[in-house]
Parts: sequence; C-alpha cells; structure tokens
Amino acid sequence: IQMTQSPSSLSASVGDRVTITCRTSQSISIYLNWYQQKPGKAPKVLIYAASTLQDGVPSRFSGTGSGTDFTLTISSLQPEDFATYYCQQTYFPRTFGGGTKVDIK
Amino acid sequence: EVQLVESGGDLVQPGGSLRLSCAASEFSFSSYWMSWVRQAPGKGLEWVASIKEDGSETYYVDSVKGRFTISRDNAKSSLYLQMNSLRVEDTAVYYCARDSYASETYYYDYWGQGTLVTVSS
Repeated sequence: IQMTQSPSSLSASVGDRVTITCRTSQSISIYLNWYQQKPGKAPKVLIYAASTLQDGVPSRFSGTGSGTDFTLTISSLQPEDFATYYCQQTYFPRTFGGGTKVDIK
Repeated sequence: EVQLVESGGDLVQPGGSLRLSCAASEFSFSSYWMSWVRQAPGKGLEWVASIKEDGSETYYVDSVKGRFTISRDNAKSSLYLQMNSLRVEDTAVYYCARDSYASETYYYDYWGQGTLVTVSS
C-alpha cells in the first residue's frame, strides 16, 4: 500500500491552523496512525485508528478520514509542535508516509 | 515506566552481519507484538519487521526478506534483529517499538532510543 503525504513541508506561525493529508493507494478503513518526531528523538504517536487521540496528547490535535483519505489537523499551532509528522497504515507490509516537516514561518 | 533499550549498532562492511537487541522492561513483553522500524540519515521512517507475541508469525519489508530475521525471547523480555548480507542502503537508526492494540488496529505506543547501524567500507 502506497502512502502519499502532503505537503512535504510547510511554514506556519504560532496560532495557525495546520492541516496535513495522507492518501493511500487502496482502502485501509480506519487503520491509519499519525506520529510526531522531533530531531534526534524517537517518534511519538498522536492519533491511532484515524481519529482516536492517544492519552496525554493535547486536544488541539485531531484526525479524520477513512478509506483512502485522511487528515491530521493542529487547530492552533504551538511552539512545541514544530516537528515532522508521519502517517502510517497498519496492514502488512506496513508503510509510512514520506513525512511533513512543519517549521516556523 | 515502559522501557525499550536497543543495543548492537555498529560500523560494518558491506556483506557483513550484525545482531541488534532490544531489552524491554516494565510491561508484559509476551503479551505484545513487537516491531523494528528504521530511519536512514535525513530520511523518513521505514517499517522493517514485526513479530507476534509468541513468535509464531513474522513479517518483513521486501527489501530485507531473506537477509534479516526478527526473533524474540519472552523469558528474557528481549527482541532481536539478525541482519546478514548488509548493504550500504541498510545504514540507519534502528528503533524497537511496541505494538499496542486498540480500536481493532495496532499502533506504536512506545519506542526505544534507537541504535545506529552504519554499513560502509
């Protein structure tokens, strides 16, 4: 299953609403997860099953979608949110999207 | 707190072998699928392999099939990745990750700090 994540990078300001999309080459129902990774650190799960917020993750993060089209939204970007975000589908062989780097405008 | 600690990364020549280990603690290791995920320098994440709780099922990305073997020792709460016939393109940080199950799907809820494998002559 191919994953197409867009954009590959974006520049935004604190307080902005940010949307990242992930499209899969075939339907994966809701079996889509979102991760955040900061430089030199392991990834951290934000959203699983397309829309379920992982415990401890701020509510400004949300996920929607099913089938082949998915979205991660950050409602109001905070300084600690500047990072790279990855989508991942969970059918074998598992695949990740190419990543979206969110940096400061 | 759940901990995953990888070890075994090193500099190795093309065609060489290496065995990575991941020591797990503070959770019931034998109750979870486990996976290896890698990240080449400056690149994105790539799933490498996964293994079922009891080791009876394993899955691999095509690029490592026949060269890498994932295994586990539940008595030692340890996960392994035996890497043979290493190629330059296997150079990456290798992460061990725990597969958690919820809402009929799996996701990686805990990750190790990663161990660097460099394949170069």
